[in-house]
Amino acid sequence: GAVVSQHPSRVICKSGTSVKIECRSLDFQATTMFWYRQFPKKSLMLMATSNEGSKATYEQGVEKDKFLINHASLTLSTLTVTSAHPEDSSFYICSARGGISGQGGKNTEAFFGQGTRLTVV
Amino acid sequence: DAKTTQPNSMESNEEEPVHLPCNHSTISGTDYIHWYRQLPSQGPEYVIHGLTSNVNNRMASLAIAEDRKSSTLILHRATLRDAAVYYCILRDGNNYGQNFVFGPGTRLSVLP
Repeated sequence: GAVVSQHPSRVICKSGTSVKIECRSLDFQATTMFWYRQFPKKSLMLMATSNEGSKATYEQGVEKDKFLINHASLTLSTLTVTSAHPEDSSFYICSARGGISGQGGKNTEAFFGQGTRLTVV
Repeated sequence: DAKTTQPNSMESNEEEPVHLPCNHSTISGTDYIHWYRQLPSQGPEYVIHGLTSNVNNRMASLAIAEDRKSSTLILHRATLRDAAVYYCILRDGNNYGQNFVFGPGTRLSVLP
């Protein structure tokens, strides 16, 4: 099946610094990527939707200036957490979907990265 | 988005079948039923999906009620590796760009 690779899997950074998380679709072109955030013992919460070549659409309550999303190519989207603070510590997960050959489109499964655990100290 | 309800948690013994229920009484005619699972510290993993007919794959079976207001994910022989949170998600087949909306899911524990 299609693979989505997320990097890094784990990062620790100092408060006030910025962290970039990459999400790559390895064997298909992802026209749309989704970024989720997950707190311990909680479910995934959608942060934003990014379409290749256009600005991301952020969910209500998500600061676009804090969580910068770039989807510059059909295989790569990045999430940058700017000026990170301890409350930004969380598990971040990306998901990709796109024109996967042979799978039609309407009910295609989504493919998720393995997640990035961010700890801000 | 049509909503789903699942039990918060379930327990199973290793090598026994597990039936994970999901209620979706407000499902629309174009909603597909998807199941994903999330192992600890990993991203969600696709399990199975269907529209009206029961579905089988190497991971599991999906039994869909005739009125489509509920479905059951069946793991035929639970292993310790199946311990995860299982999410039942509806997705409109006419809205290709729609994201997956995750509820709390069912936390499955598998006892040796």
